[in-house]
Amino acid sequence: NAGVTQTPKFQVLKTGQSMTLQCAQDMNHNSMYWYRQDPGMGLRLIYYSASEGTTDKGEVPNGYNVSRLNKREFSLRLESAAPSQTSVYFCASSARSGRWGEQFFGPGTRLTVL
Amino acid sequence: EDQVTQSPEALRLQEGESSSLNCSYTVSGLRGLFWYRQDPGKGPEFLFTLYSAGEEKEKERLKATLTKKESFLHITAPKPEDSATYLCAVQRDQGAQKLVFGQGTRLTINP
Repeated sequence: NAGVTQTPKFQVLKTGQSMTLQCAQDMNHNSMYWYRQDPGMGLRLIYYSASEGTTDKGEVPNGYNVSRLNKREFSLRLESAAPSQTSVYFCASSARSGRWGEQFFGPGTRLTVL
Repeated sequence: EDQVTQSPEALRLQEGESSSLNCSYTVSGLRGLFWYRQDPGKGPEFLFTLYSAGEEKEKERLKATLTKKESFLHITAPKPEDSATYLCAVQRDQGAQKLVFGQGTRLTINP
């Protein structure tokens, strides 16, 4: 099992460009999450999907959109990238309620916006 | 507003030198407190879940404890491979599936 996979691993964008970060999990988990991690700020939740077909905002959703394509895949889109979105982005997944705090993380995408 | 504060920010120990990391939290109705380990350049890895004050969990050289206001991660006789950033997160009783993370403690164990 690959666990949680993310693509790409690195990306450099210019201000105003758009891109989609891809995430997939092969653990048959219901819930999936997108976080960003900035120095001194800890992990902050951007969006999450409690189950296939549902998405909800997290702590810092502005400037992002998400799509839960199916049970395995959860993508994060930046429509018009800004330098403030320079960060490391992590996707995570967890099993059904009762254990969803035990999250499995992907390796991350390092995004730089110039 | 839910808050999680970890201390110290960074800690250097000699191999075999035991110590503790602190996670203090402010949340209305704690449902769970979680510890994660993060190695440089990688995603966090789940370690423990604690649900109620007085609860303890152990794994190898690590032991996590919980009180009504804080959690401790005790590291006994650490080895260099225990070097990592340790993250604490809380889940509140009400609301949706959201974890609030602390900023982490960067632990370095020197041989």
